[in-house]
Amino acid sequence: KNEVEQSPQNLTAQEGEFITINCSYSVGISALHWLQQHPGGGIVSLFMLSSGKKKHGRLIATINIQEKHSSLHITASHPRDSAVYICAVRKSGNTPLVFGKGTRLSVIA
Amino acid sequence: DGGITQSPKYLFRKEGQNVTLSCEQNLNHDAMYWYRQDPGQGLRLIYYSQIVNDFQKGDIAEGYSVSREKKESFPLTVTSAQKNPTAFYLCASMTGGGETQYFGPGTRLLVL
Repeated sequence: KNEVEQSPQNLTAQEGEFITINCSYSVGISALHWLQQHPGGGIVSLFMLSSGKKKHGRLIATINIQEKHSSLHITASHPRDSAVYICAVRKSGNTPLVFGKGTRLSVIA
Repeated sequence: DGGITQSPKYLFRKEGQNVTLSCEQNLNHDAMYWYRQDPGQGLRLIYYSQIVNDFQKGDIAEGYSVSREKKESFPLTVTSAQKNPTAFYLCASMTGGGETQYFGPGTRLLVL
């Protein structure tokens, strides 16, 4: 079983919809990252969380350490949000990130 | 502008050939990473380096080698021992506090 599981694997939404992507992990962590991979392959970092909630524009990320669960929300979705969203965890200190398989989001106009 | 560059964008390997993928960063980051991405799979760690002249194997290091002679550079060699090298290869670096991981644009390796 993977240490980081994401759901759903694929998601199609209409423009304007509220979107939620989930990430569950089975190990103790020091931080959780959300990343976005564009169709061309480039990856950008969206958030790093160790507790609570962070917001940037239309993106909101939350984490529940006790339940080992994080969610990424996109409000007022737009076709340009179409991408693969990746959850990754850092177990401790300087250890490398462990990645989920990603959620492929398509937003249709 | 600071960032990570990878070259080439596409690389073709013949049977029995070693090829080297370049990764350069001007972000002054100590930690650098190489990942492999296959369709439907998450990123898998090949090698990483947390300081110059030191590196560690990741989960799928067999058939690969790296060097870290300079802080800015972390080249990856795909050797002939890697029997299934076709994949998308991503290089990354991390800020000192681990807040943000920066990725290069990737190199797509294909076998002829």
